[in-house]
Parts: sequence; C-alpha cells; structure tokens
Amino acid sequence: GPKVLQIPSHQIIDMGQMVTLNCDPVSNHLYFYWYKQILGQQMEFLVNFYNGKVMEKSKLFKDQFSVERPDGSYFTLKIQPTALEDSAVYFCASSPQGDSNTGQLYFGEGSKLTVL
Amino acid sequence: GEQVEQLPSILRVQEGSSASINCTYENSASNYFPWYKQEPGENPKLIIDIRSNMERKQTQGLIVLLDKKAKRFSLHITDTQPGDSAMYFCAASAVSGTYQRFGTGTKLQVVP
Repeated sequence: GPKVLQIPSHQIIDMGQMVTLNCDPVSNHLYFYWYKQILGQQMEFLVNFYNGKVMEKSKLFKDQFSVERPDGSYFTLKIQPTALEDSAVYFCASSPQGDSNTGQLYFGEGSKLTVL
Repeated sequence: GEQVEQLPSILRVQEGSSASINCTYENSASNYFPWYKQEPGENPKLIIDIRSNMERKQTQGLIVLLDKKAKRFSLHITDTQPGDSAMYFCAASAVSGTYQRFGTGTKLQVVP
C-alpha cells in the first residue's frame, strides 16, 4: 500500500540544539500532519498543512516548532531550540484530497527523538 | 469540546473470548471514525473504520458500531487471539483535511 517515509528513525541530541524531522508523504497526497506520541500514551495532534500553509495547530505546537514543505520536497518539522519534554516519537501522516479522500490517514514509521 | 474519550485503558481477556472498547466524542460534525492497532515500537495501523452514514461495519473478526445520537462508537473483537494483544486507539474527524483526534488508548492483553 501507499507508504509515508520518515527520516531519521531515531535521533539523539542535546537540549537546546536544533532538530529537523523529515517526512516523504504519499506522492499524490496533499494534506500532511505531525503527531507526537510519548511512550505508551496517546497520539497527540501537533499540526496539519495544506497548500503550503499551516491549517490548524494544537497547544503542543510551541513557538519553537515550525513546518514547511519547500517545492514539493520533504515535509519537515523543525524544533529550535529543543527541550527535554520534546523527547517523543513524532509520526508524520498524509491524506489525499477530494473525492478520493476517505478521511484515512497514512502514517509513517515514526521518528524517535531523544533530547538529553 | 473536541475530546475523544476511550475506555477501558486496560483490558485483559481470555483467548477465544470477545473484547469491547468504547469511545465517545464531542464534536457533532465528526463523520469519520477509524480504529488503529499499535504494536510496541511501531506506527498505528488502521484496522477498521466507519463513516457516519453507517451504524455497523464488520470485517475479519472486527465489528464497529456507531451511535450518532449518543456520540458513541465501539470496537468489538470476536474470538480474540494472543496476536490481538496491542494498544488500540479510536479516533474521530470531521471534514476532509481536518485532523483526527485520538482517544487515550486501550491496552488489550489476550491471555491463553
């Protein structure tokens, strides 16, 4: 089936550093999402993105967070600077648009971020 | 007013019996209700979903029920097997492109 790729699968960084998480969504999808999951807890929505713009963001999407998808390349989540509480697995998802949109999200395998 | 509540948080059942997980939502505009299974260290995988124009859907030992008036939906796993042990999440979303709100999850343990 359609696959969403995420790079890196795991990153360890020191608090205060910048990190960029990359997502390669399904090729004909137009809606993109980031979710955060702390171990054993629920999936928490961060942000969604369409047509080059942020559509909605949650309280968890702090000022230190930003997203972009320059020229149809990777959909990225940047955290600058990172904090200890940013340690989590970040899942990217995408969904198509229009009549083909069943509402189904296609999730990547996740990027595990460890902030020391 | 956008919460999705999920119960129970932990469910332990005997192999071969059925397991039921219940969710409630607040947003009356919600029209799509997926269920995900998540194994440790993996991403959530869609196992079954239901749209608001249906009340019941069944596939491969899974049944979902939707009660729009009560804003409640449920997952029923019949004839559980040890391989069904995992975290299960319900979710709800409204129109195209709106994000899915996840429930708090249910850890299902199927014991022999």
